[in-house]
Amino acid sequence: GENVEQHPSTLSVQEGDSAVIKCTYSDSASNYFPWYKQELGKGPQLIIDIRSNVGEKKDQRIAVTLNKTAKHFSLHITETQPEDSAVYFCAADPNDYKLSFGAGTTVTVRA
Amino acid sequence: NAGVTQTPKFRVLKTGQSMTLLCAQDMNHEYMYWYRQDPGMGLRLIHYSVGEGTTAKGEVPDGYNVSRLKKQNFLLGLESAAPSQTSVYFCASRWTGLQSPLHFGNGTRLTVT
Repeated sequence: GENVEQHPSTLSVQEGDSAVIKCTYSDSASNYFPWYKQELGKGPQLIIDIRSNVGEKKDQRIAVTLNKTAKHFSLHITETQPEDSAVYFCAADPNDYKLSFGAGTTVTVRA
Repeated sequence: NAGVTQTPKFRVLKTGQSMTLLCAQDMNHEYMYWYRQDPGMGLRLIHYSVGEGTTAKGEVPDGYNVSRLKKQNFLLGLESAAPSQTSVYFCASRWTGLQSPLHFGNGTRLTVT
């Protein structure tokens, strides 16, 4: 099955700086890569996703990049704000009904 | 439109007791999933269903059973709870399009003593 590795496990950034989270996957059949944000006491929520026919996607302060050859994808958050503090999960979908998740990154934005 | 609703929100069980976690979605999604979340291990798939009356095993199915008698409901059962099943459980659903996002409930925090 698909194996997704996510780094770092924790990330502390100064407000206004950028944050980058990186993930690698193992199954070359994977073609859909969503990112989820989980706030305390809540379920994960989709914040952005990218499909394999696209190399980069941006939505305001959030961007994702995908390198299918190297099997890695990244989440970039620019101009971080206190409300960006949360746990972030990457995932990969190898087209078998199941998403495989990374272990998560706890992001703390320092004021 | 409530999305995905999980009940209960919290539960404490003694070892050997049984319980059922309920998940309901009002988005007419075909696919439904049960995950458990443990520190440092992300979200691990327990069981899933691709339609009413069908279920399949995920990554960590041992000790759990599921049923999908109605399209909108997906039940997760623990027949004989063990301390290793202490976790936060999330239900999720998605459309039939394989590149569609998951919609999660807010979780059930279960403690087994």
